[in-house]
Amino acid sequence: AQSVTQLDSQVPVFEEAPVELRCNYSSSVSVYLFWYVQYPNQGLQLLLKYLSGSTLVKGINGFEAEFNKSQTSFHLRKPSVHISDTAEYFCAVSLSGGSGNTPLVFGKGTRLSVIA
Amino acid sequence: EAGVAQSPRYKIIEKRQSVAFWCNPISGHATLYWYQQILGQGPKLLIQFQNNGVVDDSQLPKDRFSAERLKGVDSTLKIQPAKLEDSAVYLCASSLSGPWGDTQYFGPGTRLTVL
Repeated sequence: AQSVTQLDSQVPVFEEAPVELRCNYSSSVSVYLFWYVQYPNQGLQLLLKYLSGSTLVKGINGFEAEFNKSQTSFHLRKPSVHISDTAEYFCAVSLSGGSGNTPLVFGKGTRLSVIA
Repeated sequence: EAGVAQSPRYKIIEKRQSVAFWCNPISGHATLYWYQQILGQGPKLLIQFQNNGVVDDSQLPKDRFSAERLKGVDSTLKIQPAKLEDSAVYLCASSLSGPWGDTQYFGPGTRLTVL
């Protein structure tokens, strides 16, 4: 079975500062990796995903993440955050290959609070 | 393109009552998921449909939860009878049934409070 660990439950950061949200996963088979963002009282929105190819993935809103297979990590970064980035961020994995789409296994989330 | 629709957005019931949630996925999406998100945790899969067939319901508490997807489009999730620990946000998501790793699109969720 797969599992996801988000190492920080809360990350406060000043506006225009860089941020890194950490994610490690565990799986005995190959996986796809995702980052989702959840704003208050809204559903989850995809920021970016890694399926294959280049290990540096760029997403929406200036976010990027790097897949590191040896460290089983998929950390999310942004060089300069804005107040509007305040939200809950979820890292997730799903099985790659197989006979069709597989469900996502999520971490517990990291609450990013951007301070003016 | 319209997103995933869910209703109601909020529901408050007493324990042992029954409740139903509705989901309308994005048009053309064959795969539909129901997730349960308890406060402070990430979403957890309850059931996955491919068209109107169940692909995975291994984590669905079948003694009280049921779900159906008639005609392979809309879906309903029912809880009967509800327990206090069922208080959570219930998220519906849909995706194409194409290559693996397709993006799952989420609805706004239904927040259930069981008193």
